[in-house]
Amino acid sequence: QVQLVESGGGVVQPERSLRLSCTASGFTFSLYAMHWVRQTPGKGLEWVALISYDGMNKYSADSVKGRFSISRDNSKNTLYLQMNNLRTEDTAVYYCARGGGGNYAYLDYWGQGMLVTVSS
Amino acid sequence: EIVLTQSPGTLSLSPGERATLSCRASQSVSSSYLAWYQQKPGQAPRLLIYGASSRATGTPDRFSGSGSGTDFTLTISRLEPEDFAVYYCQQYGSSLTFGGGTKVEIK
Repeated sequence: QVQLVESGGGVVQPERSLRLSCTASGFTFSLYAMHWVRQTPGKGLEWVALISYDGMNKYSADSVKGRFSISRDNSKNTLYLQMNNLRTEDTAVYYCARGGGGNYAYLDYWGQGMLVTVSS
Repeated sequence: EIVLTQSPGTLSLSPGERATLSCRASQSVSSSYLAWYQQKPGQAPRLLIYGASSRATGTPDRFSGSGSGTDFTLTISRLEPEDFAVYYCQQYGSSLTFGGGTKVEIK
């Protein structure tokens, strides 16, 4: 069965960096675009970034552009989100999710989520 | 950016009743690229509907999606106890955006 497991979250001070990982299993990882989505109590669900199946195309939301970077290692079935210059408003539960088809798509499987808290 | 507005914010219903949830887009969603998700407390969202009306694997047939252009609807024909949750719409015709959610609560 499809499984996505996030790791790397925690508490970090503003302006510091953090890297999230998402390990995939149960499907051929290298065939699917992958996404990061975050959720805050105040703003609901917010799409963060996506990467194409081969890593050649990357897109991100304006709110994180220039600070967050998405990448993947298909040999390790792992998706990453490098978060730099973190702000308090980046505090959220971060989910990795599989794209259902193509780059911009519905998200058919989600990880359990990883809490990132940005606080001094 | 396409903004999705969901209504109502909260729907109070009893088991066995019909639920009708609305999702309105600020501009037309191309090719009906509209999905619906269910989220329960402490869990990740779960895909229910994609392409406005196609059920995802494992979605019970009491869930149905309809609509096109700027107006979309998720209908739950007869609410089961496990259906009380928050529902989100998402468009993927132009980047990705989510609606603010509708909470379906037990009356």
